[in-house]
Amino acid sequence: GAVVSQHPSWVICKSGTSVKIECRSLDFQATTMFWYRQFPKQSLMLMATSNEGSKATYEQGVEKDKFLINHASLTLSTLTVTSAHPEDSSFYICSARDNVGYGYTFGSGTRLTVV
Amino acid sequence: QQPVQSPQAVILREGEDAVINCSSSKALYSVHWYRQKHGEAPVFLMILLKGGEQKGHEKISASFNEKKQQSSLYLTASQLSYSGTYFCGTGGQNTGNQFYFGTGTSLTVIP
Repeated sequence: GAVVSQHPSWVICKSGTSVKIECRSLDFQATTMFWYRQFPKQSLMLMATSNEGSKATYEQGVEKDKFLINHASLTLSTLTVTSAHPEDSSFYICSARDNVGYGYTFGSGTRLTVV
Repeated sequence: QQPVQSPQAVILREGEDAVINCSSSKALYSVHWYRQKHGEAPVFLMILLKGGEQKGHEKISASFNEKKQQSSLYLTASQLSYSGTYFCGTGGQNTGNQFYFGTGTSLTVIP
């Protein structure tokens, strides 16, 4: 079945630094990937849609200059949290439309802690 | 565009049944159900595509109403392992292919 690999699974960084999270589709090509953020005891909120070869589209209220998305190839999308602050600490998860079975495959998530 | 779930939280004793509802103001292209354990990624349970559809197995099943605006997840004879947060979600043609999760329902099964 379709597999999405997400790295790292957890990261701790200092306030003001940048963190990159990778999302790879292992056995299928993903022209579109999605990035979510989840705060404790809340739902997973869609942040942005990553499109291979073009600019990402961001949901309302998400700062595009803070959350940089690059979809460099049909199998790789990256999310960079720039100048991270403690309020950016959250669980970030990616997914891809795989057109197989149920259509959306999720990565295992990244727990970001900014200290 | 986020589907609304009810109840927000429920506590069950082992062996009891539960129903989780998912509602949308607009017809949905599809409805997906996920379960998430604390600190983990959501795990896919099932997808419903057709109005009036019912699917699942003996213990966990779901329905999608004819108007495709409501879905319910049925948990029968609950087990401790059923504890977690359940999310419905929708994606596909009516959302520009983006996938949106519902508000979530926390389910706790106690001995």
